[in-house]
Amino acid sequence: GQNIDQPTEMTATEGAIVQINCTYQTSGFNGLFWYQQHAGEAPTFLSYNVLDGLEEKGRFSSFLSRSKGYSYLLLKELQMKDSASYLCAVRAFNAGNNRKLIWGLGTSLAVNP
Amino acid sequence: DTEVTQTPKHLVMGMTNKKSLKCEQHMGHRAMYWYKQKAKKPPELMFVYSYEKLSINESVPSRFSPECPNSSLLNLHLHALQPEDSALYLCASSQGIGTRDEQFFGPGTRLTVL
Repeated sequence: GQNIDQPTEMTATEGAIVQINCTYQTSGFNGLFWYQQHAGEAPTFLSYNVLDGLEEKGRFSSFLSRSKGYSYLLLKELQMKDSASYLCAVRAFNAGNNRKLIWGLGTSLAVNP
Repeated sequence: DTEVTQTPKHLVMGMTNKKSLKCEQHMGHRAMYWYKQKAKKPPELMFVYSYEKLSINESVPSRFSPECPNSSLLNLHLHALQPEDSALYLCASSQGIGTRDEQFFGPGTRLTVL
């Protein structure tokens, strides 16, 4: 089966660092994406990992370990506007052997002053 | 232009109505997607078009009918919907359906079926 796990909710303080974990078990692996979604808005792309290691992009970094089926999103110098849902998605194969994104349920992050 | 646009933003329809959702992108992307999203849930893939041909239909009921008139446009025709079809309908596009192709999402259409 296809399964992606991430924590449901997290809370952090403005200016701090937070790490959002994602573990996955999928049919095949063709890359892992992180998206940010503010309430009532569309998801926006944050990062992509296909090889093991860390990808850094400003305040956001994403890490992947394919052997462990594990990724994390690291957010530094948290700002109030970072309060959002963070979705982990893995590109895998569906029953028809087509590539598709398998989505986690999302982690709702609340940043407090 | 790095935007995916969707119209209308909000739609209320009865169970006997016929309506259409529209999506447009001018990024030269060759893959376009329809997703359905319920509150506090991730997006749920409905259809994928690649080079204007339907490549994935995730066993969506026939009351939803997609159409891709050209490489920039994607429509979703709605007929005889049920109240449980009320959701946010998101359109997305990507350069292709290869490995690296991140999807760009439109703002969505909030659909309410009465």
